[in-house]
Amino acid sequence: QVQVVESGGGVVQPGRSLRLACTASGFIFKNYGMHWVRQAPGKGLEWVATTWYDGSHQYYSDSVKGRFTISKDNSNNTLFLQMDSLRAEDTALYYCARDGQDSYGPDHWGQGTLVTV
Amino acid sequence: QSALTQPRSVSGSPGQSVTISCTGTSGDIGGYKYVLWYQQHPDKAPKLILYDVNKRPSGVPDRFSGSKSGNTASLTISGLQAEDEADYYCCSYAGSYTYVFGSGTTVTVL
Repeated sequence: QVQVVESGGGVVQPGRSLRLACTASGFIFKNYGMHWVRQAPGKGLEWVATTWYDGSHQYYSDSVKGRFTISKDNSNNTLFLQMDSLRAEDTALYYCARDGQDSYGPDHWGQGTLVTV
Repeated sequence: QSALTQPRSVSGSPGQSVTISCTGTSGDIGGYKYVLWYQQHPDKAPKLILYDVNKRPSGVPDRFSGSKSGNTASLTISGLQAEDEADYYCCSYAGSYTYVFGSGTTVTVL
């Protein structure tokens, strides 16, 4: 079955960096775009970033553009989110999600990894 | 990239129907067929229940249905059950491979 598992969260000081990882299984990773979505404590979902199936194109929300970088290692079935210049408002549970099989938008989600700034 | 507008909460008795609206703009909901809905139980990951406005992934009960008119999408839960009590979020493609989520709606089963 489709599974994505996030890791790398933790407590970090403002201005520092953190790198999240998402390991995928149960599907052909190289054929799918991937997303990062976050949820601040007690708040709603916020789209963060998307990458194409081959990692050749990346797209970001205005709130993280220029600070976060999404990348994809199709050889190791792993998605990354490099987060630089972290701010208190980046504190959230970060979800990795696969793009839809027949459409656009996240379909299968992981359980998330918590980042506290 | 402003969040889509959803009612903060809706409620209904078991067996009744409830409808959640999701209002955006011509740049997101009004411009594309790619509207998704997610169900999120407390301390759980979101679960996709509708995509492409009204398509249900395998395993999602047909009690969940969706529609769209202009810049507003809607999710209807028919035959409300206790297990439907959760938070629901809409999401729309907003062009150039960007997405926007709704503010979220809490469904309470009375």
